[in-house]
Parts: sequence; structure tokens; C-alpha cells
Amino acid sequence: EVQLVQSGAEVKKAGESLKISCKGSGYSFTNYWIGWVRQMPGKGLEWMGIIYPDDSDMRYSPSFQGQVTISADKSTSTAYLQWSSLKASDTAMYYCARHRAIFGVVMDSFDMWGQGTMVTVSS
Amino acid sequence: QSALTQAASVSGSPGQSITISCTGTSRDVGGYNFVSWYQQHPGKAPKLLIFEVNSRPSGVSTRFSGSKSGNTASLTISGLQAEDEADYYCCSYTSSSTQVFGGGTKLTVL
Repeated sequence: EVQLVQSGAEVKKAGESLKISCKGSGYSFTNYWIGWVRQMPGKGLEWMGIIYPDDSDMRYSPSFQGQVTISADKSTSTAYLQWSSLKASDTAMYYCARHRAIFGVVMDSFDMWGQGTMVTVSS
Repeated sequence: QSALTQAASVSGSPGQSITISCTGTSRDVGGYNFVSWYQQHPGKAPKLLIFEVNSRPSGVSTRFSGSKSGNTASLTISGLQAEDEADYYCCSYTSSSTQVFGGGTKLTVL
């Protein structure tokens, strides 16, 4: 079965670091762009950035550039989203999602989504 | 980059058709045929409905259709059903080689 499985919910304090994960299975992980989307409580979707695991080519939204780090480990078919110093405003649901087409282009759409990871940061 | 502009809410009765609009600029919606639409039910992950302005992934109902004119893209849902009640988001590729979502539209089926 083709799926993305994300790590579990996290409760952290402001200033702490965090790395959440998204493991792909059932498909060629290295050859599909995979990205992250934020959804703050009661709010809309925000495109954060994407990575192509085969060569680690990546794009960040200007809103998230420098605030988070996206990475991928080809050996474990896992993508990561990382913070070095969390803020209360990072409290949100974070989804990973895979682009639609193999060997696709950066402008493609997300056709498969993880179940989401809820991150709660207290001040 | 600013979020694309969508109406906060729209409503319709079962069997009717509704259209949700998504307005951007020449640097995103108007400049590329890479607009997608997603449906999100409460507590669930989004689902891709339309990609590349007007293409449907396999398994998506033909009741969903997309179009674009200038800087505005549109999603039309025909034959409204109760299960269509959800939030709908547009998303466009941008000139910065990134993508941007719309603010979302809540569809209520009366």
C-alpha cells in the first residue's frame, strides 16, 4: 500500500528543538517531491516547502525560509521537518504530502497526504 | 507572498451547482496553468480534487471541475451532495518557484 505515515503528536516548550518525520512506503521514495503544509488551529493550509529526496533539491516558502529545515533520508524513505527553537506560534497541525507524478516537476500537486502531526508549543 | 483570495464561505442546496473562486496575480494564478484544488473535511487530511487547472485525478467525481480566466481560477461543484460539505482550498505555483494556498472556502450544503 502506498502511504505516508507521520510521527506522533508532540508537546514542547518554547525555545526547544523538534524534528518530526514522515515515512513513505509502497513507492519509489527518492523520485517524488515531498512537502510540508502547516495548518494552525481553525485556520487554512499554508505551503511550507518541498524536497526531492534523490538530490535534496528543495524550495521554501519565503514565509518559512530560515524558520524551519526540511530534509530527507533516502536510506529510510523518511522526510523530516525540523525547528531549532520553537515558538508558541508554531502550534499547528503539520502535514507531509507527496507530489502526484514520478520524476515530476516542482509545480505539481500533492496527491497523497500523511495523517498529520500535531505540534503544541507552550510559552 | 500573499495567500490567494477565496470567499470565506459559500452555500447551496442539494442538487444545485456552486462555484468557488480563487484570485491571485500574474505572478501565480495568471502566470501558470498549475492551479490545484483540495477538499478538506473536519479533522481529516486534504484531498486533491483538481490539478493543472482542470484535470481530475483518478477516482474524483466528474461533478468537480476547474477552470481559469486571467488571474482567477474557479472550482465548480455540480449536483451538490451533503458529503460535499467541507473546506476547499486552491493552490497555485508562483514565480518564486514555490506554491501558495488560498485562504479556504467553507461550503455549507443547506
